Amino acid sequence: AQTVTQSQPEMSVQEAETVTLSCTYDTSENNYYLFWYKQPPSRQMILVIRQEAYKQQNATENRFSVNFQKAAKSFSLKISDSQLGDTAMYFCAFMKVDRTYKYIFGTGTRLKVLA
Amino acid sequence: GAVVSQHPSRVICKSGTSVKIECRSLDFQATTMFWYRQFPKQSLMLMATSNEGSKATYEQGVEKDKFLINHASLTLSTLTVTSAHPEDSSFYICSAKKGAGGNTIYFGEGSWLTVV
Repeated sequence: AQTVTQSQPEMSVQEAETVTLSCTYDTSENNYYLFWYKQPPSRQMILVIRQEAYKQQNATENRFSVNFQKAAKSFSLKISDSQLGDTAMYFCAFMKVDRTYKYIFGTGTRLKVLA
Repeated sequence: GAVVSQHPSRVICKSGTSVKIECRSLDFQATTMFWYRQFPKQSLMLMATSNEGSKATYEQGVEKDKFLINHASLTLSTLTVTSAHPEDSSFYICSAKKGAGGNTIYFGEGSWLTVV
């Protein structure tokens, strides 16, 4: 069975600084997807970034980038130039490539951006 | 982008009654929808997978007779909490997979259920 671990329950960062959220996972699959989702106080789940396991290149989306280490089963999220609007819960998620399309979520990291 | 809408966003019901939550994909067909439950300050726990035109697949430990899921069309799935009790109070989120071959999942805004 797959598991996703986020070891940082809470983090804070000064506005305009950079912060890295960690995520590790355990799987015997070779083909899968990894995601970072943001859940602001509104509770709407917002996709931040996704990574296909077969791609060696780390995904980037504007200020958000990942460090995907497949052998180490690590998938960290780096937020550059942090903004107050980045304050939210961040969930790491795993989805293996099969017909179920099920997500397995980590426990989340609560990020607070300080003015 | 694709939109998934849940209704109601908040509902209060009396203990012992049933309550229905709808999940609609507004601008795409969703052959597969998912229902999650999220307790305060916790992660999302998958309850069941809803497939259009067939029975839902429930995760281990989820009572199928208590949480009735119906996916009667390609744009609508419903979750009915039957004989609700205060411990059923939670935030319920649905998500929908776009298209038959795609693997992009879109989330609804969630529904707060309070059972009094």
